[in-house]
Amino acid sequence: DAKTTQPTSMDCAEGRAANLPCNHSTISGNEYVYWYRQIHSQGPQYIIHGLKNNETNEMASLIITEDRKSSTLILPHATLRDTAVYYCIVSGGSARQLTFGSGTQLTVLP
Amino acid sequence: SAVISQKPSRDICQRGTSLTIQCQVDSQVTMMFWYRQQPGQSLTLIATANQGSEATYESGFVIDKFPISRPNLTFSTLTVSNMSPEDSSIYLCSVSLAGGYDEQYFGPGTRLTVT
Repeated sequence: DAKTTQPTSMDCAEGRAANLPCNHSTISGNEYVYWYRQIHSQGPQYIIHGLKNNETNEMASLIITEDRKSSTLILPHATLRDTAVYYCIVSGGSARQLTFGSGTQLTVLP
Repeated sequence: SAVISQKPSRDICQRGTSLTIQCQVDSQVTMMFWYRQQPGQSLTLIATANQGSEATYESGFVIDKFPISRPNLTFSTLTVSNMSPEDSSIYLCSVSLAGGYDEQYFGPGTRLTVT
């Protein structure tokens, strides 16, 4: 699996957009970028995934650079309930599993 | 998505005993997974459990320590055997609806403390 690099922590003001970056410079052509989050004391929650096109769903948008070496998860209007650890995971192709790294602790501030 | 429940939600167990954790899904799924999350750490995959076949264990995890059953398409159990304090963790099951390894839905977890 390609490794990912994420900032350890980020803060965001409530109501503002939260932009969470992820570097995955060794991603291969058939690997997807997945985002999950884990709210304290809960199981991880799937957010979104993409291959090379930008994706949007009811939770977030995923912007993948043209060279696919990095991506950004965007929560358009962060709320206090979005406070969580966000995991960027690269998987697919011959990969057999989701490999969770350390993630980014996002704290949404009132 | 899928609704996943786990029992028990938490337990405190004595060293040397075993605990069986149950995972129930509200729909039939082919692939189920068991993870461990040690205190303050990220998730680590223990094994993949497909109905009708033996579970596939990841490096560092063995069947004698973590036996898994998968009797049907909606249920699985993980047993933590001969427990020691190092087994104190949150154990989570997850399922894949798409049949692959990637888009997974997780249960709430079982918080295990071994004394």
